[in-house]
Amino acid sequence: AQTVTQSQPEMSVQEAETVTLSCTYDTSESDYYLFWYKQPPSRQMILVIRQEAYKQQNATENRFSVNFQKAAKSFSLKISDSQLGDAAMYFCALIGANSKLTFGKGITLSVRP
Amino acid sequence: DSGVTQTPKHLITATGQRVTLRCSPRSGDLSVYWYQQSLDQGLQFLIQYYNGEERAKGNILERFSAQQFPDLHSELNLSSLELGDSALYFCASSPSGRAYEQYFGPGTRLTVT
Repeated sequence: AQTVTQSQPEMSVQEAETVTLSCTYDTSESDYYLFWYKQPPSRQMILVIRQEAYKQQNATENRFSVNFQKAAKSFSLKISDSQLGDAAMYFCALIGANSKLTFGKGITLSVRP
Repeated sequence: DSGVTQTPKHLITATGQRVTLRCSPRSGDLSVYWYQQSLDQGLQFLIQYYNGEERAKGNILERFSAQQFPDLHSELNLSSLELGDSALYFCASSPSGRAYEQYFGPGTRLTVT
């Protein structure tokens, strides 16, 4: 079985500052993918970033980057230059060979102007 | 816009009733996935279909069933509805062999009264 844990229910960041969202996971598979999804008030699920487990290089998408620590089974998301539009719920997720996306409980991020 | 469509957007029904949620995948995608997002259970995988065949099953109740039709659209049938079935139901689709590339629809909000 695979599990994803997001222990922080909510965080707050000042506009233009940097924030890091934490996630740990567990899986017995060697080939898997990790994701961060954003869910704004519209409830749409938006893919923020994806990381392949066998790639050592951390994924980056504009202001979003991850710190993937495979041995520690840790996968954190860093948001730089935070914007008001970044306010949303963020989910960490994992998928292995079984094609089932497993999600964490999510973290609510608020951005202070 | 992910290219995945779901109807209806909102559904309000009474306990004991039966409803059908519909999903049209992105053009060319053969796989369809159903997810449930509720306050109690969070986001969880229900079931996957690939080209008309059930491929993977998650925590789907026996009262729930799904199918994928020859035109690749999928329907999720929920019967004997209970208050606890109130949730946001997402459909996602992915290209063949690329379950790590799932595109989510906007969801159907089901309210059971």
